[in-house]
Amino acid sequence: DAGVIQSPRHEVTEMGQEVTLRCKPISGHDYLFWYRQTMMRGLELLIYFNNNVPIDDSGMPEDRFSAKMPNASFSTLKIQPSEPRDSAVYFCASSFYNQPQHFGDGTRLSIL
Amino acid sequence: GQNIDQPTEMTATEGAIVQINCTYQTSGFNGLFWYQQHAGEAPTFLSYNVLDGLEEKGRFSSFLSRSKGYSYLLLKELQMKDSASYLCAVKNAGNMLTFGGGTRLMVKP
Repeated sequence: DAGVIQSPRHEVTEMGQEVTLRCKPISGHDYLFWYRQTMMRGLELLIYFNNNVPIDDSGMPEDRFSAKMPNASFSTLKIQPSEPRDSAVYFCASSFYNQPQHFGDGTRLSIL
Repeated sequence: GQNIDQPTEMTATEGAIVQINCTYQTSGFNGLFWYQQHAGEAPTFLSYNVLDGLEEKGRFSSFLSRSKGYSYLLLKELQMKDSASYLCAVKNAGNMLTFGGGTRLMVKP
């Protein structure tokens, strides 16, 4: 079975550029989560969706970050403009109802 | 809000038993999860407790005491491949997970 698929796996870009991270959840899962992981702050929830609707975005650091889920099989996390402090590993996870979350392999983002 | 504490690092010997503790204070509780994360990889689900007591799954067991806000993950017959970070996470009523900082376990020969 295909797991959660994220792209790209690695992204290196200069500050000020727009960055778009993509996620395809496991088919049939109705929850989708975006996390950010850094050494300093650990794994932090940014936003999550239920049935494509954003439920809680209180973890989104600022207006430079936005996330969308246009359909049940696709979500994006966008940073515009990007800053060096946004460098982190971004994980997408999905789950069915209250079952355990399954994580994608992550996108390692470096902003120069 | 949520506050989750677990030790930063632990070291154990191959073949031994290790217990990783997790304490939490939460504004809502709907279960406690343990995840394993190898360096450079994604977290993978290990165990889930919603009621008090011990859940056993092979070499791994997890315990929960809701009244004490306490959980532990027990790893038996340690293997070198068990060297990883172990993340404790609490779920609130809204299906959100809040993760602790993780415990980095080093297994030595």
